[in-house]
Amino acid sequence: GAGVSQSPSNKVTEKGKDVELRCDPISGHTALYWYRQSLGQGPEFLIYFQGTGAADDSGLPNDRFFAVRPEGSVSTLKIQRTERGDSAVYLCASSLDHPTAQYFGPGTRLTVL
Amino acid sequence: GEDVEQSLFLSVREGDSSVINCTYTDSSSTYLYWYKQEPGAGLQLLTYIFSNMDMKQDQRLTVLLNKKDKHLSLRIADTQTGDSAIYFCAENPGGYNKLIFGAGTRLAVHP
Repeated sequence: GAGVSQSPSNKVTEKGKDVELRCDPISGHTALYWYRQSLGQGPEFLIYFQGTGAADDSGLPNDRFFAVRPEGSVSTLKIQRTERGDSAVYLCASSLDHPTAQYFGPGTRLTVL
Repeated sequence: GEDVEQSLFLSVREGDSSVINCTYTDSSSTYLYWYKQEPGAGLQLLTYIFSNMDMKQDQRLTVLLNKKDKHLSLRIADTQTGDSAIYFCAENPGGYNKLIFGAGTRLAVHP
């Protein structure tokens, strides 16, 4: 079956511009997660949705970052006024309604010039 | 605090066993995970173990968990060149859904 999909696969933007990253989870998965992976590091948790609501947003680094999941399926991660330090691979994952197995998408590589 | 530690690099000969080690900090984690990441690819879930188990075997993979020492290991039997990748250990502190990852162990398999 189809896995987690993310778009775009690559995004290059200029400092100060806003970006939107999209995640389409596995069909039927109620939980959706965003992580950020910097070069040479493991993924770092950003936010977790259960259904339409953000159940844990403790990993969002500041108020320039926010995410939505209006219909409980597709999610969009939005970064406003991007900074060079936001450059990373943004990973999305989904799971059934328990934490046993999170399945990751291929990621969006964001480069801020 | 939340921290997962892994050695950065492991080199093995093809056909040998690989053992990748990890230490974690949160004794309330209910699951411990191993993920594999190949160059330019996303994370692939390899296996996970419930915290009340001490061993799990899945084909060539064996996971050992020492909860007292908060130590997790992944053994890959008969390591092949296709096993070359970065392996990440992760825990879910408090039993919640947020995963905390280590920095990854790069496994290099040579002939």
